[in-house]
Amino acid sequence: DGGITQSPKYLFRKEGQNVTLSCEQNLNHDAMYWYRQDPGQGLRLIYYSQIVNDFQKGDIAEGYSVSREKKESFPLTVTSAQKNPTAFYLCASSRDRGMSNQPQHFGDGTRLSIL
Amino acid sequence: GQSLEQPSEVTAVEGAIVQINCTYQTSGFYGLSWYQQHDGGAPTFLSYNGLDGLEETGRFSSFLSRSDSYGYLLLQELQMKDSASYFCAYNTDKLIFGTGTRLQVFP
Repeated sequence: DGGITQSPKYLFRKEGQNVTLSCEQNLNHDAMYWYRQDPGQGLRLIYYSQIVNDFQKGDIAEGYSVSREKKESFPLTVTSAQKNPTAFYLCASSRDRGMSNQPQHFGDGTRLSIL
Repeated sequence: GQSLEQPSEVTAVEGAIVQINCTYQTSGFYGLSWYQQHDGGAPTFLSYNGLDGLEETGRFSSFLSRSDSYGYLLLQELQMKDSASYFCAYNTDKLIFGTGTRLQVFP
């Protein structure tokens, strides 16, 4: 079955450490997205990519970096510059580059905590 | 600026009907979407309104009025499994999500 796979499910980061969250999709979708969700809050957009080798900052990009070398993969690195990284991170994809009526499909998320 | 506002929490009993409102401020968008998220889970797409009016999908319906900057999600014949958070989001070249409404359904 097609879908989005995020790994790991749980991740712990030490002070000063960079960590990378994996997101892979086999839906042949052009667009991919990373969101951060804090407890009891909505989803905030970190980065998004509408085509391979291109990506744009979302609302809260500081302290994060991404790459889009392959259509299927959109990893997110949480750098040491992100001082409050503890959150639930969700990856999503949608079929088309332009956001018309295409629904986003989400992965099961990664919970990141500070050690 | 861009923002969407929803009530933080709504409660109802099984079999009832509940409406979750969403008001927004934006300069332009393609349409309004609704997503459901159970605790600890991934959001799942429920409904989309590209045009004003009502869209019906089984027990769920969604409504949009661009002139009023307002939309709502209507859930009928509530079931316990409908207890979840519900988010409205408007579509531009990306999705901008509202703050979410937590729905609790009681027996």
